[in-house]
Amino acid sequence: GDSVTQMEGPVTLSEEAFLTINCTYTATGYPSLFWYVQYPGEGLQLPLKATKADDKGSNKGFEATYRKETTSFHLEKGSVQVSDSAVYFCALSDVGAGNMLTFGGGTRLMVKP
Amino acid sequence: GAVVSQHPSRVICKSGTSVKIECRSLDFQATTMFWYRQFPKQSLMLMATSNEGSKATYEQGVEKDKFLINHASLTLSTLTVTSAHPEDSSFYICSARRGQGESPLHFGNGTRLTVT
Repeated sequence: GDSVTQMEGPVTLSEEAFLTINCTYTATGYPSLFWYVQYPGEGLQLPLKATKADDKGSNKGFEATYRKETTSFHLEKGSVQVSDSAVYFCALSDVGAGNMLTFGGGTRLMVKP
Repeated sequence: GAVVSQHPSRVICKSGTSVKIECRSLDFQATTMFWYRQFPKQSLMLMATSNEGSKATYEQGVEKDKFLINHASLTLSTLTVTSAHPEDSSFYICSARRGQGESPLHFGNGTRLTVT
């Protein structure tokens, strides 16, 4: 079945540091890939998506590129802020699985001033 | 603004009682809504798919008699945790898809359930 693996946290960075959160996947079909963010006390928000190979999703300085050859969708940001502290979930949606979302385990990011 | 409203955001109940959680799509009709559960420090796990006008589809291992789902209208799905126990304490999140196919999912803000 489909699965998503992302790096375990917590990831602790200083403000303005470069961020990478790794995400790899396995899927039976050709999935769409997503990064969701969960701020403390809030629901999930969708910052990024990519629907085909080499697509780059971007939002508020975050970027992720759909790499089919390495089955990866790593999340990056050039300069993190304290307000970026949250839990980040990588997910895929596979047509073969009825477009249901399969989530990774989540990575907690803590940014210190 | 929010397009999916989930209520209540927090609830504390005694063991043996039942709790109902509502999920509403605010400005669109959702024939399908999804219910997830998040254990501490773990990922979201899909519990069931709620289909308007028909029975919900439960994931393997989810007790359908314990987690009752009703999707009575195109804008409302409810999850009732019956005879709650402390191990049911968790964070429950609903989501709804606006449109079909690859339309994005919109999530509610979740409900923190604590069973004492």
